[in-house]
Amino acid sequence: DVKVTQSSRYLVKRTGEKVFLECVQDMDHENMFWYRQDPGLGLRLIYFSYDVKMKEKGDIPEGYSVSREKKERFSLILESASTNQTSMYLCASSTTVNTEAFFGQGTRLTVV
Amino acid sequence: GQNIDQPTEMTATEGAIVQINCTYQTSGFNGLFWYQQHAGEAPTFLSYNVLDGLEEKGRFSSFLSRSKGYSYLLLKELQMKDSASYLCAVQRHNNAGNMLTFGGGTRLMVKP
Repeated sequence: DVKVTQSSRYLVKRTGEKVFLECVQDMDHENMFWYRQDPGLGLRLIYFSYDVKMKEKGDIPEGYSVSREKKERFSLILESASTNQTSMYLCASSTTVNTEAFFGQGTRLTVV
Repeated sequence: GQNIDQPTEMTATEGAIVQINCTYQTSGFNGLFWYQQHAGEAPTFLSYNVLDGLEEKGRFSSFLSRSKGYSYLLLKELQMKDSASYLCAVQRHNNAGNMLTFGGGTRLMVKP
């Protein structure tokens, strides 16, 4: 079975902290994605990566950065967390062929 | 950019048929996905359409019309466990690879 693992299910951080969300996939997928999901807004794409060290901005990249040093790992970084970044964060991966994306279980981040 | 629209909520009766519509506007269209997401869980893949027409998979079917920018998900013989959010997602290709963008999701409530 494909597995996409996010490092934490729940996180509470303080405003201004630097936050790292980690995602690891075990299927050698080329593409990896970070989304945030908010009530009424659905899943919104923050960043995606199609190869090691490659990244592309999604629809809402402001306030976020990413890192992909190894193929299996894609990290989302909040340089200085703010309360409006309180959300559910979902990581996903897929191959380059037109197949479905597989999602991790999500990290519910609360910034206080 | 792109727009993906789907109804926010729908209600249907156990044993009935329900159709969830999705309209989209995008460049570089490269396929449309439907995902199911139960509350508190990760989205899971239901169907994929890249050519016009109907794809049937058990109780679920998905239709695509590329010229109209329109898709629907048809659920037959509804069961209580089908109560979930249904997410329409459009894949588009650009120089960076395949981006997957989601609509806001349709929350389906199945009543006895």
